[in-house]
Amino acid sequence: QQPVQSPQAVILREGEDAVINCSSSKALYSVHWYRQKHGEAPVFLMILLKGGEQKGHDKISASFNEKKQQSSLYLTASQLSYSGTYFCGTEIIDGNQFYFGTGTSLTVIP
Amino acid sequence: DTAVSQTPKYLVTQMGNDKSIKCEQNLGHDTMYWYKQDSKKFLKIMFSYNNKELIINETVPNRFSPKSPDKAHLNLHINSLELGDSAVYFCASSHVGTLQFFGPGTRLTVL
Repeated sequence: QQPVQSPQAVILREGEDAVINCSSSKALYSVHWYRQKHGEAPVFLMILLKGGEQKGHDKISASFNEKKQQSSLYLTASQLSYSGTYFCGTEIIDGNQFYFGTGTSLTVIP
Repeated sequence: DTAVSQTPKYLVTQMGNDKSIKCEQNLGHDTMYWYKQDSKKFLKIMFSYNNKELIINETVPNRFSPKSPDKAHLNLHINSLELGDSAVYFCASSHVGTLQFFGPGTRLTVL
């Protein structure tokens, strides 16, 4: 029931864009996105509650495709501060459980 | 003011011992969680708890038990510690179904 993220790791140069995908085998009620820097706790980025909803946060945005049980996180014009591990978190409709995805390590280099 | 706090930050102990990790949140949230993050960085939910319901991840051994003296606290008790329990444990809190705030984590090392 753990959602699968892709890619597992990505290296970008400053200013480049990236997309991180999150796929679930179960129907989803909501999708959360978090970023965790090395040695720190995960920090919330955004939550998507409706199918098709897209939310933005500075140059980081996300979409939620309910039918495909997928969400994508879009990072545009990446900055060094974007480096970290990104996790999606999913609440499934059938049940009351929350699962984090497998994680995507993102490294932005100058 | 720290929103979600955990103690201790580091815990080193011998196999077979029993230990507890404390968690407190001052956000007025109704739901609290415990997560385990292993060396591969996978974040696995162990428990979620509000004043109405405890939801246990079925893969969590019954040596682990959450104890909530009140809405602001959810402590984690671990009996008969094993080597495989070594990990970072995160506490988190939220209003049900909304964003989660994480504590700083407790690094548990079992020798």
